[in-house]
Amino acid sequence: KNEVEQSPQNLTAQEGEFITINCSYSVGISALHWLQQHPGGGIVSLFMLSSGKKKHGRLIATINIQEKHSSLHITASHPRDSAVYICAVLNRDDKIIFGKGTRLHILP
Amino acid sequence: NAGVTQTPKFQVLKTGQSMTLQCAQDMNHNSMYWYRQDPGMGLRLIYYSASEGTTDKGEVPNGYNVSRLNKREFSLRLESAAPSQTSVYFCASSWGYEQYFGPGTRLTVT
Repeated sequence: KNEVEQSPQNLTAQEGEFITINCSYSVGISALHWLQQHPGGGIVSLFMLSSGKKKHGRLIATINIQEKHSSLHITASHPRDSAVYICAVLNRDDKIIFGKGTRLHILP
Repeated sequence: NAGVTQTPKFQVLKTGQSMTLQCAQDMNHNSMYWYRQDPGMGLRLIYYSASEGTTDKGEVPNGYNVSRLNKREFSLRLESAAPSQTSVYFCASSWGYEQYFGPGTRLTVT
């Protein structure tokens, strides 16, 4: 079993829908990172979380340390949000472990 | 600031050839990393460097060597390329926990 699991693996939605991507992990962590990988391949940092909730524009990230779970939400989704979203955790040994990513496709 | 830059963007090698992937960052970060990304798998750490002059193996170091030339530059060398090394390679640097990625190098070994 992978130490970082993301769901769903693939998600197709209509423009305007509310999107939720989930990340569960099985190790103790110092921090959790949400990344966005564009179709062209570049990887961009969205959020770094160690507790609670963060918001940036239409993106919201939450983390529940007790349940070892994080969610990334996108409100009023747009075709330009189409990308692969990657969850990564930093474990107690400062080792970073990546999930396999969630491929999101927003239809106009 | 250019952030993290990588060269080349694309490369095709024949089995047995060697090459060096270059990475540089202008953010004065101490830590730098090399990852590979393969279809259906998450990013996997090849090597990392916590500071100038130090390097450590990651999850998949076999077939690779690295050099931390100075604080800015961290290169990855394939001495004898194999088809199994066909992948997209990302360099990253970090300040604290947050990582900043380069644009990637798409390498094909035939």
